[in-house]
Amino acid sequence: LAKTTQPISMDSYEGQEVNITCSHNNIATNDYITWYQQFPSQGPRFIIQGYKTKVTNEVASLFIPADRKSSTLSLPRVSLSDTAVYYCLVFSGNTPLVFGKGTRLSVIA
Amino acid sequence: DAMVIQNPRYQVTQFGKPVTLSCSQTLNHNVMYWYQQKSSQAPKLLFHYYDKDFNNEADTPDNFQSRRPNTSFCFLDIRSPGLGDAAMYLCATSRATGGYGYTFGSGTRLTVV
Repeated sequence: LAKTTQPISMDSYEGQEVNITCSHNNIATNDYITWYQQFPSQGPRFIIQGYKTKVTNEVASLFIPADRKSSTLSLPRVSLSDTAVYYCLVFSGNTPLVFGKGTRLSVIA
Repeated sequence: DAMVIQNPRYQVTQFGKPVTLSCSQTLNHNVMYWYQQKSSQAPKLLFHYYDKDFNNEADTPDNFQSRRPNTSFCFLDIRSPGLGDAAMYLCATSRATGGYGYTFGSGTRLTVV
């Protein structure tokens, strides 16, 4: 499994765009990249997933460069309710998700 | 709404007294997982079932066991809880093992006294 590295914490003001970058230098050809969000005392929630280039949904965008050694989760115009831990995970078809340390995002009014 | 339900939400057990946590799903997913999450740490995979096929992580203590009597239900049994087993226990489901679209329950917070 490719090891992931992401910042331990980030702060942002409300209304700003937040970009969280994750490095996964050892990503394999068949691996996908997925991001989960976790609020205190709740289970993680799927946000977005991609293989390469850019993926966008109603919540976030995921940018993956051509070499796929990193990925960036972009949250547009964050609000206080986006305060959470964000996990970057790399997985292949038959392996369960293994969580790394995650990034604790604090949104400030 | 289809969902993953964990009961109870909070569980207090005595040191050494067996305890069972339950998880049910209405998603009809093939795979069910148990994760342990200690305070300020990431979720740690304990084991998972692909249908009835049980897969134990190498570092999961023998003290932890699981049962999946049917597609909808999965149980986590802790045979002799120690103080170090106090944690949030998260159940998750997915259609296939690859990480796409896991649905997690809200967790059971276990306290050992």
